[in-house]
Amino acid sequence: GQQLNQSPQSMFIQEGEDVSMNCTSSSIFNTWLWYKQEPGEGPVLLIALYKAGELTSNGRLTAQFGITRKDSFLNISASIPSDVGIYFCAGNSNSGYALNFGKGTSLLVTP
Amino acid sequence: DAGVIQSPRHEVTEMGQEVTLRCKPISGHDYLFWYRQTMMRGLELLIYFNNNVPIDDSGMPEDRFSAKMPNASFSTLKIQPSEPRDSAVYFCASSLTDKGQPQHFGDGTRLSIL
Repeated sequence: GQQLNQSPQSMFIQEGEDVSMNCTSSSIFNTWLWYKQEPGEGPVLLIALYKAGELTSNGRLTAQFGITRKDSFLNISASIPSDVGIYFCAGNSNSGYALNFGKGTSLLVTP
Repeated sequence: DAGVIQSPRHEVTEMGQEVTLRCKPISGHDYLFWYRQTMMRGLELLIYFNNNVPIDDSGMPEDRFSAKMPNASFSTLKIQPSEPRDSAVYFCASSLTDKGQPQHFGDGTRLSIL
């Protein structure tokens, strides 16, 4: 599958700070998805993006589908301790139904 | 609404034993996916089904792995014989028909092969 580079690999921040993470692909994607995984659970969908340039919010989370269709970012504003987890980007090139996943960004938030 | 249901949640067994993992997708979803997650390799797609038919099994690591979907509400992933390197968390996910529809994941089976 296509190579997805997700960065940063980990973040250690204080409560109240904003967070930004991004994902780049070696090829064009038609769908970008952002998931969050907590210990002992499966990934949970946060935001789905379907059009280049699309900017979508879900509470304190905002994600954008890059204009080149090869990148996406996720921002979390005013982080809280329950934001702790691993955030994954995933993309689909429409050549099939398989999703390509990034390696994840591990987020730790201290009170 | 019930999400994707996987069983067992944890499995510990000895090398050489047969392991069967089970999945019930979300009702009405046409696609079912099996993934494996490890620290080294992240989330890897093993196989996926459409309307109970295997579409792409290129991610299945070797012949010791097999998957079936006898009906729209049940799928199994079997490893026989199991090896220590198969230890991982195995996830099942399902989605609706259209391309780009998000996949919804179960809580996984944590498999340990001793």
